Amino acid sequence: QQPVQSPQAVILREGEDAVINCSSSKALYSVHWYRQKHGEAPVFLMILLKGGEQKGHEKISASFNEKKQQSSLYLTASQLSYSGTYFCGTAYNNNDMRFGAGTRLTVKP
Amino acid sequence: KAGVTQTPRYLIKTRGQQVTLSCSPISGHRSVSWYQQTPGQGLQFLFEYFSETQRNKGNFPGRFSGRQFSNSRSEMNVSTLELGDSALYLCASSLDYSREDGYTFGSGTRLTVV
Repeated sequence: QQPVQSPQAVILREGEDAVINCSSSKALYSVHWYRQKHGEAPVFLMILLKGGEQKGHEKISASFNEKKQQSSLYLTASQLSYSGTYFCGTAYNNNDMRFGAGTRLTVKP
Repeated sequence: KAGVTQTPRYLIKTRGQQVTLSCSPISGHRSVSWYQQTPGQGLQFLFEYFSETQRNKGNFPGRFSGRQFSNSRSEMNVSTLELGDSALYLCASSLDYSREDGYTFGSGTRLTVV
């Protein structure tokens, strides 16, 4: 039931783009994205609901493909502050939320 | 507004002992979930509570238990501690079990079993 995230780790230079994928073997009701910096609690970024639209802010956005049971997180023009571990959380019909193993993102100057 | 408060922040226990961790959710949040975080396993789901009722339980042995009180505060208990229970235990609260506003996580309790 745990979603699968890819890649496991990615290293970027400031200004570069990245995509993090989250796949499920079951039909999804919702997908959450969180970022956790070292030694801190995970912080909620956004939620995507079944049937909903692509969400996001100017440089961090996400999509939800219900047919493929997959969500992708897009980080454009990355900044140093984007560094951290990104987790997707998936829920099936309002049941418990399960998290992927995480993607470690490192942005270098 | 105050965030999710977890106590204690750090704990060192001996194998075989038991431990109780506490979580106070954001005021007004009625749903509390617990996760175990380890470097190799990521975030593993333990329990979810809503209005004092356990809605869901993860794949952990019966040594792990929890409860939620009428004020939404939650506790989790681990009995007969094993070395493998060493981890960061995170509590997350949300308004309700729809979680449409996302989870707010506490800073966690770092449990070390020696």
